[in-house]
Amino acid sequence: AQSVTQLDSHVSVSEGTPVLLRCNYSSSYSPSLFWYVQHPNKGLQLLLKYTSAATLVKGINGFEAEFKKSETSFHLTKPSAHMSDAAEYFCVVSAGNFNKFYFGSGTKLNVKP
Amino acid sequence: DAGVIQSPRHEVTEMGQEVTLRCKPISGHNSLFWYRQTMMRGLELLIYFNNNVPIDDSGMPEDRFSAKMPNASFSTLKIQPSEPRDSAVYFCASSLQLNQPQHFGDGTRLSIL
Repeated sequence: AQSVTQLDSHVSVSEGTPVLLRCNYSSSYSPSLFWYVQHPNKGLQLLLKYTSAATLVKGINGFEAEFKKSETSFHLTKPSAHMSDAAEYFCVVSAGNFNKFYFGSGTKLNVKP
Repeated sequence: DAGVIQSPRHEVTEMGQEVTLRCKPISGHNSLFWYRQTMMRGLELLIYFNNNVPIDDSGMPEDRFSAKMPNASFSTLKIQPSEPRDSAVYFCASSLQLNQPQHFGDGTRLSIL
């Protein structure tokens, strides 16, 4: 079975400080993992994806994530937060032949000036 | 590039009325997904199609909901009769194939009075 746990429902950081959004997954197969971002009144936008290549994945807008199989984690990071990063972030796992995406419950990132 | 296009963006109607949501996937994408997003339940996969064929509709809440994909460039999600508890944001997403990242539309915000 596949599942995703996002450990924080809300994260608040100051502009210019690092961002860490945590995600743990459970999968019976070698997983594909994704991070999506959702800005208010918008659909979800793909930030980055891991599909069994390099374990450190770089995405758009300066975000990156590291796949750690031993910890079953796929945390999202960014060295320096911008105000425009304020949004909700979703960690997603799919596995096997894929048939479904399993979404985490989301983490709302607040960026303070 | 045109992304996934959903219409209408907003719909307000009275309970008991029929509601039809529309989606145009990205050209060349073979898979299409309908999701519902609410504060209480987060993102829920309702149904998905591959090559215009419904593959899994186990997420459709009840018989009042139906979805069709008559061709590769158009899908509808219909609710008849609508109820206040159907109020949510409905997203359509498409992907090249089932195991590829999904691209989301901006959603339809549905309010049933």
